Amino acid sequence: DTAVSQTPKYLVTQMGNDKSIKCEQNLGHDTMYWYKQDSKKFLKIMFSYNNKELIINETVPNRFSPKSPDKAHLNLHINSLELGDSAVYFCASSQGRATVLYGYTFGSGTRLTVV
Amino acid sequence: DQQVKQNSPSLSVQEGRISILNCDYTNSMFDYFLWYKKYPAEGPTFLISISSIKDKNEDGRFTVFLNKSAKHLSLHIVPSQPGDSAVYFCAASEAGANSKLTFGKGITLSVRP
Repeated sequence: DTAVSQTPKYLVTQMGNDKSIKCEQNLGHDTMYWYKQDSKKFLKIMFSYNNKELIINETVPNRFSPKSPDKAHLNLHINSLELGDSAVYFCASSQGRATVLYGYTFGSGTRLTVV
Repeated sequence: DQQVKQNSPSLSVQEGRISILNCDYTNSMFDYFLWYKKYPAEGPTFLISISSIKDKNEDGRFTVFLNKSAKHLSLHIVPSQPGDSAVYFCAASEAGANSKLTFGKGITLSVRP
């Protein structure tokens, strides 16, 4: 029973398309995150939601729009995809937005390839 | 601007020996430090953490050491096992609400049988 699940696992699409990645957690956590792992392997935070409220919004192109219909779901929609958007996108969740010491629980990632 | 640095991209050790993975940081506001382990095609999994008020935290075979004055932490794995072969990420966070984890780029550990 997967704690943080992302779909799809792989996504290959053409430049200019619009795509969405879905994330769901069944841990009862109230905070969710999107991280991007680029070609240089850095994991960089993009967004964070706490109880459906956006609390972290890093410097990300506005082509990226997160949506949280409830605290168990955080989806990522990307408009007008560009080659540079190719990366692995990880969803994560945690209980509380300040309890970092207990770590985040990550999903297995979505590998996005833009051609 | 890399606030968390893992300067060695890889490490290879013999099974049964100690693995020492190093991490440096530049942000003096960081209060919490974590290590994550990642296997291919999986997400990072939380290993161990330490707060800035401590200099050591131990959990089984894993020990994290923190040297605040040097802005340096390390993860020791003793004894190393082949199943420990993975990418290890160091991460850090400031205290307070809306905290976020800042990650290094990871170290690939290979444990030889």
